[in-house]
Amino acid sequence: QKEVEQNSGPLSVPEGAIASLNCTYSDRVSQSFFWYRQYSGKSPELIMSIYSNGDKEDGRFTAQLNKASQYVSLLIRDSQPSDSATYLCAVNRVRTGFQKLVFGTGTRLLVSP
Amino acid sequence: ETGVTQSPTHLIKTRGQQVTLRCSSQSGHNTVSWYQQALGQGPQFIFQYYREEENGRGNFPPRFSGLQFPNYSSELNVNALELDDSALYLCASSFPTGGAYNEQFFGPGTRLTVL
Repeated sequence: QKEVEQNSGPLSVPEGAIASLNCTYSDRVSQSFFWYRQYSGKSPELIMSIYSNGDKEDGRFTAQLNKASQYVSLLIRDSQPSDSATYLCAVNRVRTGFQKLVFGTGTRLLVSP
Repeated sequence: ETGVTQSPTHLIKTRGQQVTLRCSSQSGHNTVSWYQQALGQGPQFIFQYYREEENGRGNFPPRFSGLQFPNYSSELNVNALELDDSALYLCASSFPTGGAYNEQFFGPGTRLTVL
């Protein structure tokens, strides 16, 4: 079982629709969770972080966390063609003295005009 | 505020050679982590530097080594390059605030091709 699992997609949505991206993780002691957006040929860009159960909203983005189900999701409202990218879910793995991000393989989102 | 920078942007090497990649952390950040991202995969943690010492390492062989300097910039060195080392190498900086809530910000990456 992978530590962080995402559907590779592509997830295709029409412009203006809600895109829903999902992620599950295996380490129950994980405390912080991140969503990164990565355009083709570019580096990951942090778009959302979430630490507590429930929803966190930032503009068109909403992150949802359910620690009991070990599930994180990202909703993108009013999707735009410029949102077409790979979305990486990352979990902060805490070890003595350091923390590392463990990434899923990413979900490719395609928003059609 | 200056973001994370990396150099060079692209690099082509042959098997067996050695390479050094460089990273300058975001202003105010004292922790640097390095990741390797193969095509179609998520980034994989290589190691982390804090206060000029390696304080954590992923599943990478010893031929991957690094340094952090007093100004918090960092180098990643890879010896005896192999074809599978071809990847995007990412540097991320953060400022530890305690607990597990540190956000990491990535630089633009160095694309390494090993022939």
